[in-house]
Amino acid sequence: GAGVSQSPSNKVTEKGKDVELRCDPISGHTALYWYRQRLGQGLEFLIYFQGNSAPDKSGLPSDRFSAERTGESVSTLTIQRTQQEDSAVYLCASSLDRDTEAFFGQGTRLTVV
Amino acid sequence: GENVEQHPSTLSVQEGDSAVIKCTYSDSASNYFPWYKQELGKGPQLIIDIRSNVGEKKDQRIAVTLNKTAKHFSLHITETQPEDSAVYFCAASRTGTASKLTFGTGTRLQVTL
Repeated sequence: GAGVSQSPSNKVTEKGKDVELRCDPISGHTALYWYRQRLGQGLEFLIYFQGNSAPDKSGLPSDRFSAERTGESVSTLTIQRTQQEDSAVYLCASSLDRDTEAFFGQGTRLTVV
Repeated sequence: GENVEQHPSTLSVQEGDSAVIKCTYSDSASNYFPWYKQELGKGPQLIIDIRSNVGEKKDQRIAVTLNKTAKHFSLHITETQPEDSAVYFCAASRTGTASKLTFGTGTRLQVTL
């Protein structure tokens, strides 16, 4: 597609359940980023993938969070045993390489009830 | 780690007036400062960025200034139009790229007729 695509756009889950969020980056983009945006706040860095290098996971808030990326394509962010504080919009972005503009998707709004 | 503060949190201006949003950062090693515009229901979009080797950059009605000594940078929008209404985020990174950005908390700009 023309832009970064994220699915689902909205997700409501019960506390304690696992969720998986998907990001389809722009074709050919080697860099992919996940950010979290809590209500009324700025974006928090979660994880960064660059090509085949080991991902930078320094922003993941706990071991309940993990992410994978297959080659230079789709990425999934998994949150295990969700908590209410995980409620936020999860944004994915991609860029041609680490030195160029990052394009954001529309995000997945996660609500943990 | 880096801390970015952004002011004001809300800003209302009349169409045609100028708008200024200010950010300060804490990490003197930060060297890349992008500004993003986020419209309702959409992901953030890069509107302008500046690197630490320049003090000012302009793109049509938008300009950004950087004061490395004081560790602050500002976004200036002149001749505001209703379509400028959105939430604006500043960010900082020490990697020189869009990876591992630290964002401010956002400014909601409302341009009134």
